[in-house]
Amino acid sequence: AQSVAQPEDQVNVAEGNPLTVKCTYSVSGNPYLFWYVQYPNRGLQFLLKYITGDNLVKGSYGFEAEFNKSQTSFHLKKPSALVSDSALYFCAVRASSSNDYKLSFGAGTTVTVRA
Amino acid sequence: TAGITQAPTSQILAAGRSMTLRCTQDMRHNAMYWYRQDLGLGLRLIHYSNTAGTTGKGEVPDGYSVSRANTDDFPLTLASAVPSQTSVYFCASSDFYSGGPDTQYFGPGTRLTVL
Repeated sequence: AQSVAQPEDQVNVAEGNPLTVKCTYSVSGNPYLFWYVQYPNRGLQFLLKYITGDNLVKGSYGFEAEFNKSQTSFHLKKPSALVSDSALYFCAVRASSSNDYKLSFGAGTTVTVRA
Repeated sequence: TAGITQAPTSQILAAGRSMTLRCTQDMRHNAMYWYRQDLGLGLRLIHYSNTAGTTGKGEVPDGYSVSRANTDDFPLTLASAVPSQTSVYFCASSDFYSGGPDTQYFGPGTRLTVL
């Protein structure tokens, strides 16, 4: 079985401050890991993914995430948050050895960046 | 490019009635998915299709059916709607050979209310 936990329902930061959204995963074998963002009344948009290689992954809009195998984590980070980063963020996982394409999503973390 | 389109945008449905949510993609992706999004539960997979002509059950398939007659279309049918099916429904697609494995692209969603 595969699963994702996003331990924080909400994250609040001031504009210009660092932003971190936490994600831990459980999967058999090696994971494929993803971050998606959802703006109000919109579908999910892909931000970044970890497949293999460098543990630090850079994605869209200045976001990055670090894969930590020993801690089974894939936290999303942005050095300097913008008000426009306020959205709902989802982490997702699947086992690299799986023969189907199904992802398991976390419950989501609402990020609010105040001016 | 349009990507993924969903119809209708929103719908109010009487309990016991049937309804088909439409999903069309123009990216020629082989895999397609239906999710429902509920507050605090994130995205849960209803049904999926790895390729035209095949379908599979996801995490919450009961009360829903799908078909995949061709590559582009993946309709979701509620045969007899119940209030617990009130949700926002997202269609997604992915292709193993474009963008790397499992990058899923999402439609704008259908907001369904069952009364």
